[in-house]
Amino acid sequence: DTAVSQTPKYLVTQMGNDKSIKCEQNLGHDTMYWYKQDSKKFLKIMFSYNNKELIINETVPNRFSPKSPDKAHLNLHINSLELGDSAVYFCASSQWGPRTDTQYFGPGTRLTVL
Amino acid sequence: AQKITQTQPGMFVQEKEAVTLDCTYDTSDQSYGLFWYKQPSSGEMIFLIYQGSYDEQNATEGRYSLNFQKARKSANLVISASQLGDSAMYFCAMRGPNTGNQFYFGTGTSLTVIP
Repeated sequence: DTAVSQTPKYLVTQMGNDKSIKCEQNLGHDTMYWYKQDSKKFLKIMFSYNNKELIINETVPNRFSPKSPDKAHLNLHINSLELGDSAVYFCASSQWGPRTDTQYFGPGTRLTVL
Repeated sequence: AQKITQTQPGMFVQEKEAVTLDCTYDTSDQSYGLFWYKQPSSGEMIFLIYQGSYDEQNATEGRYSLNFQKARKSANLVISASQLGDSAMYFCAMRGPNTGNQFYFGTGTSLTVIP
């Protein structure tokens, strides 16, 4: 059974388009995250939701908008895509608590903007 | 401020040998968690091992162990009996009660196992 899943796995699109990435977790966790990993492998937190409430909103362009319809889903919508948005985007989830707060990652979505 | 430091961008190890990947962290929290993740060339992020700040013993998971030195604020990953499949990027991460559920990741170490 897949714990954290993301769709699509690959996304190739033109500059200026709008696209969405979906994420779902079946671990019963209360917190979900979006990360961006650049070509140098640096992982940057973008957003975090706890029980559908936004708790971390790092400095990212407002073209990026997360949406959490329920605590098992956290989607990422990107408007007006730019070349610099090309990266791998990871969704993750965790359950806060002593010894249970390990973060589990989805397989990643490789976004290429042409 | 950088919370997690991995000073080794690349490491090489002979197959079947042990290797230590360094990680130091910075926090004023008393309670925090330290994690190591593996990212093979296929791209997924795989959780390896966890160490709680109040754990008195070093964490171990199979061939992975975490050399936790609290006073030095270091949490080095030791991989014993390296295998070719251990070639990957390794990331150290930290989470504490005052980080707002945020995980801080290091810049990673690329490990290559030589046959």
